[in-house]
Amino acid sequence: KAGVTQTPRYLIKTRGQQVTLSCSPISGHRSVSWYQQTPGQGLQFLFEYFSETQRNKGNFPGRFSGRQFSNSRSEMNVSTLELGDSALYLCASSLVSYNEQFFGPGTRLTVL
Amino acid sequence: KNEVEQSPQNLTAQEGEFITINCSYSVGISALHWLQQHPGGGIVSLFMLSSGKKKHGRLIATINIQEKHSSLHITASHPRDSAVYICAVRSRGYGNKLVFGAGTILRVKS
Repeated sequence: KAGVTQTPRYLIKTRGQQVTLSCSPISGHRSVSWYQQTPGQGLQFLFEYFSETQRNKGNFPGRFSGRQFSNSRSEMNVSTLELGDSALYLCASSLVSYNEQFFGPGTRLTVL
Repeated sequence: KNEVEQSPQNLTAQEGEFITINCSYSVGISALHWLQQHPGGGIVSLFMLSSGKKKHGRLIATINIQEKHSSLHITASHPRDSAVYICAVRSRGYGNKLVFGAGTILRVKS
């Protein structure tokens, strides 16, 4: 089975721009979670989707949003980028919510 | 105080040594995860447990629900075990979100 894939792997944007990151879960997995990892804050939960519905959201501003499609693929969007949004964004999938998570390789976003 | 505390923050060991990484948390949990992250960013899930003990190869994870504590043990450590090990917990007290420890940086020297 193919693992979790994320695109793009690397991204450079400037402040004020917006960005969309994509995540394809393992086939058959219906839950997708997104995480942000920075050197200062470590790993932090962004949101979780299950069957196209957002089930949970972390403590991030409304500039961070996401969605899940009927094939379980998920996207997250960050609008009006700030320098502090520079981070590794990780996506993880699981069969159902609260199960063992399988992580993708991440998208490294740099905001200049 | 962090919701999930890991110790030690950094650990250097000689190849072959027995290694223990600790994780403490403050609320009742439904599950605890141990994750491994190699340089470059990729994260691998090692264990998900809610009670007792699990073993996979040279890795052993234990959890004591009453004491709100978990340990990850690596037997016969090897340089390829060098990575960051992260503990994460899921709790209704945290809205069922995964809350992560800061990680333990392990370096195994040959």
